[in-house]
Order: sequence, then C-alpha cells, then structure tokens
Amino acid sequence: DTAVSQTPKYLVTQMGNDKSIKCEQNLGHDTMYWYKQDSKKFLKIMFSYNNKELIINETVPNRFSPKSPDKAHLNLHINSLELGDSAVYFCASSQEAGHGYTFGSGTRLTVV
Amino acid sequence: AQSVTQLDSQVPVFEEAPVELRCNYSSSVSVYLFWYVQYPNQGLQLLLKYLSGSTLVKGINGFEAEFNKSQTSFHLRKPSVHISDTAEYFCAVKGGTSYGKLTFGQGTILTVHP
Repeated sequence: DTAVSQTPKYLVTQMGNDKSIKCEQNLGHDTMYWYKQDSKKFLKIMFSYNNKELIINETVPNRFSPKSPDKAHLNLHINSLELGDSAVYFCASSQEAGHGYTFGSGTRLTVV
Repeated sequence: AQSVTQLDSQVPVFEEAPVELRCNYSSSVSVYLFWYVQYPNQGLQLLLKYLSGSTLVKGINGFEAEFNKSQTSFHLRKPSVHISDTAEYFCAVKGGTSYGKLTFGQGTILTVHP
C-alpha cells in the first residue's frame, strides 16, 4: 500500500487552464504539506494543513488554492496556469515534529 | 527563521571510495535535522534524522551523519559508496515546534563512477 499517493503523476496542460492535483495519505498523520520543486531541484514549501486547518501559507499566488476535505486528503487546485508553474509538486505528511515527512512520488506539471 | 546550506552542488566519486556531503544550518530555535535522498524521477526518501541524544546517527544504506552544534553542521558520510548511491541528496531542518516547516538545502548531486 502506498503511504502517500498523488494523482496524476504527469500533467501537461495549456496556459490559462485550471487543474487539480490530489493527494491522499493512509498513515494516519495529522499534518499534510505541498512542496514545489523547481527546475533546479530546489524544494520550497507552499502550504501545510493540520487536521484540515491551514497552518502554513507561504508566499504563493492566489491562483493556488489547497483544499483538505479530511485529514487524509490535501488537494491542490491551480487556476489560470502559467508557464512558470511548470515544476514537480510533492505532497507529504507527518505525524509529529521529529518524525520527518513521508513524501509522495510527485506530480510533474508541464504548462505549454 | 531557519536556513540550510549544502556546500557542494555536485560530488563525483569513484565506487568504493568514502564520501562526505556537507550541510550547514542556521536556526534561532532548537532543530531537528534530516537527510533525504531523491533518485531520478522519484520522490524523496528519508535517509536518517537527528532529534536529540547521540550526535552520530546512522541511517539506511550505510549512511551516517554527525550533528555538530558548535559548527551548526550535519554532514552526511558513507565509508564506501556504490554505483546505486548515485542520486541527489537533500539536507533539511525543521524547527522544534509541532508544525514547524521542513526547510531544504539546495541539494547535492552525488555521482558514483565505476
């Protein structure tokens, strides 16, 4: 069983479209995250939810909106996609501060 | 605020040679430290972590790291590398609060040559 699963794995779309990436974890963790990995492999946090409550919201354009229907799911919706949104998006979850994160396998988004 | 600096962007090494990947951090609070590995086109896998206690921590695949508080470093080492260790390695720091975010370094590409 995959601990943190993301769908889709690959996403190619045109500029201006709206798309969603889904994430689910079956670890029973309370906290979930979205990270963006750019073309230079730099990982930057975007959002974090704890028990469906937003706790971290980094400087991210309003076009990005996370949604957490329950603590096992954290989806990412992106409006009006731009070329610069092309990246790999990773979902992760953690239970306690010292346990580190468990990452999903990533969603490679390509905007053309 | 917390930050992580990985001092080498690329480290080439021959198979069976020892390797050290360097990581320095800064933080105004106590921290937890981690090393992750990312194989091509895959997600991140936890190699090891330092929470407290012994400053030498051992992880998977024969890797170990030493926490040095005075030098604010957490260097990753392996005494003898294999071709399969070729990957990108990320050092990360997390503040000591329950919801502290994980801040990553820029990554070090380890290439093991035969």
